[in-house]
Amino acid sequence: NAGVTQTPKFQVLKTGQSMTLQCAQDMNHNSMYWYRQDPGMGLRLIYYSASEGTTDKGEVPNGYNVSRLNKREFSLRLESAAPSQTSVYFCASSGIGGSYNEQFFGPGTRLTVL
Amino acid sequence: GDSVTQMEGPVTLSEEAFLTINCTYTATGYPSLFWYVQYPGEGLQLLLKATKADDKGSNKGFEATYRKETTSFHLEKGSVQVSDSAVYFCALIIQGAQKLVFGQGTRLTINP
Repeated sequence: NAGVTQTPKFQVLKTGQSMTLQCAQDMNHNSMYWYRQDPGMGLRLIYYSASEGTTDKGEVPNGYNVSRLNKREFSLRLESAAPSQTSVYFCASSGIGGSYNEQFFGPGTRLTVL
Repeated sequence: GDSVTQMEGPVTLSEEAFLTINCTYTATGYPSLFWYVQYPGEGLQLLLKATKADDKGSNKGFEATYRKETTSFHLEKGSVQVSDSAVYFCALIIQGAQKLVFGQGTRLTINP
């Protein structure tokens, strides 16, 4: 099992360009998440999808859109990139069970917006 | 709201030293608590967890005990190695909720 995979690993954009970050999981998890990681701020939730066909805003959704394409895939789109979106983006997934949901993370996408 | 506060880093220790990274939390419900580790250039990996008060999570020589009375979940290791150099995140999730709440992370460097 590959777990959670993300593409691309690195990307450089110019202000105003658009791009889509791809995420896929092979653990048959219902829930998927997109986070951004900035120095000194930990991880902040952008959007999440509790199940196929649903998406919800997290802590910092402005400037982003998401699509839960199917149970495996959850993409994050930047329609018009801004320098403030320079960050490392992590996708995660979790299953159902017990009193908690352990989240499994992908390796991340390092995005620079010039 | 729910929040997690970690001791500020960076933390630098010599090999075989004792490690403590403090973590305290504020939660509106009954949280489960986690420590995640991020090695350089990688994503986060779950290090250990505890789901109820007085539970002790342990893995790879690391331990943390869920202390409800002090709302704490401090990470400890008796003898650190150079390979433990990483960023450590404390996190919580409220029972029935979807979202993890992370602390800001603590960068740990171990010198030989």
